[in-house]
Amino acid sequence: EAQVTQNPRYLITVTGKKLTVTCSQNMNHEYMSWYRQDPGLGLRQIYYSMNVEVTDKGDVPEGYKVSRKEKRNFPLILESPSPNQTSLYFCASSPTQGGEQFFGPGTRLTVL
Amino acid sequence: KQEVTQIPAALSVPEGENLVLNCSFTDSAIYNLQWFRQDPGKGLTSLLLIQSSQREQTSGRLNASLDKSSGRSTLYIAASQPGDSATYLCAVSGTSYGKLTFGQGTILTVHP
Repeated sequence: EAQVTQNPRYLITVTGKKLTVTCSQNMNHEYMSWYRQDPGLGLRQIYYSMNVEVTDKGDVPEGYKVSRKEKRNFPLILESPSPNQTSLYFCASSPTQGGEQFFGPGTRLTVL
Repeated sequence: KQEVTQIPAALSVPEGENLVLNCSFTDSAIYNLQWFRQDPGKGLTSLLLIQSSQREQTSGRLNASLDKSSGRSTLYIAASQPGDSATYLCAVSGTSYGKLTFGQGTILTVHP
């Protein structure tokens, strides 16, 4: 089944404890992105990647890192999480620029 | 900076009604526009993708139109059903690789 998977789905952590949210797609898509969704602010892009080893900042990249060492994986790294990073995070992939985007199920992160 | 607005913010209708959701965007230089559905606590499901060169797309009871010059799109849902209850999100893909700018969404409730 073609899909985007994220792990973990739920995570509660404490301020400053490094964490990684994994994202994997099995559709051989070139483009992958991370978004966060917050009440009243909607969905905002954090980082995106056009292909392996090619990444760039979205609208809200502060406090996040990404890497794209393999085409299928695009992990999101929070090196020192803070409470304002409590949010619902979505990974997405697309076969081409401007193509249909497919979203993962989301990761609900709480930083205490 | 692209801004996407969706009207109305919430809509409650009886089962069987035909309804229209509206989306407007400020920058007409887009690659495509995508409509999504989001169920509470869940991920985003792609409904329709309209390329910038297209005027409309149809899938079952859904029809989406695009008027790029005026910066508007509408999602038409025919013969609404309680199972259509969800948040509907409009998103535009601009000239930057892989970036979607989302509207705030329309919360739709279809009551029996």
